[in-house]
Amino acid sequence: SQTIHQWPATLVQPVGSPLSLECTVEGTSNPNLYWYRQAAGRGLQLLFYSVGIGQISSEVPQNLSASRPQDRQFILSSKKLLLSDSGFYLCAWDPSTLAGGPFRNIQYFGAGTRLSVL
Amino acid sequence: DAKTTQPPSMDCAEGRAANLPCNHSTISGNEYVYWYRQIHSQGPQYIIHGLKNNETNEMASLIITEDRKSSTLILPHATLRDTAVYYCIVRASGGSNYKLTFGKGTLLTVNP
Repeated sequence: SQTIHQWPATLVQPVGSPLSLECTVEGTSNPNLYWYRQAAGRGLQLLFYSVGIGQISSEVPQNLSASRPQDRQFILSSKKLLLSDSGFYLCAWDPSTLAGGPFRNIQYFGAGTRLSVL
Repeated sequence: DAKTTQPPSMDCAEGRAANLPCNHSTISGNEYVYWYRQIHSQGPQYIIHGLKNNETNEMASLIITEDRKSSTLILPHATLRDTAVYYCIVRASGGSNYKLTFGKGTLLTVNP
């Protein structure tokens, strides 16, 4: 079965420090991968998605970047964190092999990383 | 994607059925209705989806009106662990739009 791993679970970082969050998926090949952010009391905001290695699409211009160095690995980074980067970061995947079908809209989420920038 | 409207909150007694409504009056013919839920401090979890027929799985039932302008998610025997924010999302299948738009959802509180 497929599983998604996301770490760390919680992170406290000072303003101006770098960030690296990692997400890996097991049990599937060539998944679509996503990074979402949820600010306190707010809805989920899609930050980046990737349909393949090295292919990154950004939904919101910001202080963050994403990379996909391997098929099942997705990394969220920042060179200098801002206070506004605090939030709950979620990685998700869906099966790209089902493109064109309704099951392509079923995304599976990791447990999330709660980031506090102080 | 069609816009959805959900009540901000609902309460339900443990063991009773929880009926969560969703309005999607501008839904198009090729758009499906999806339901997700998010338990506090966890990632969202897919529950069920449907096009026009009623659907049932081990988690819930989805009732879609004949005109498809609204739907109801039914949790037949709600437990305390079903307390979560429930999101109704309308999307066309496939295509190049990868974005799942989560609105504010309905906070369902199951009371003992």
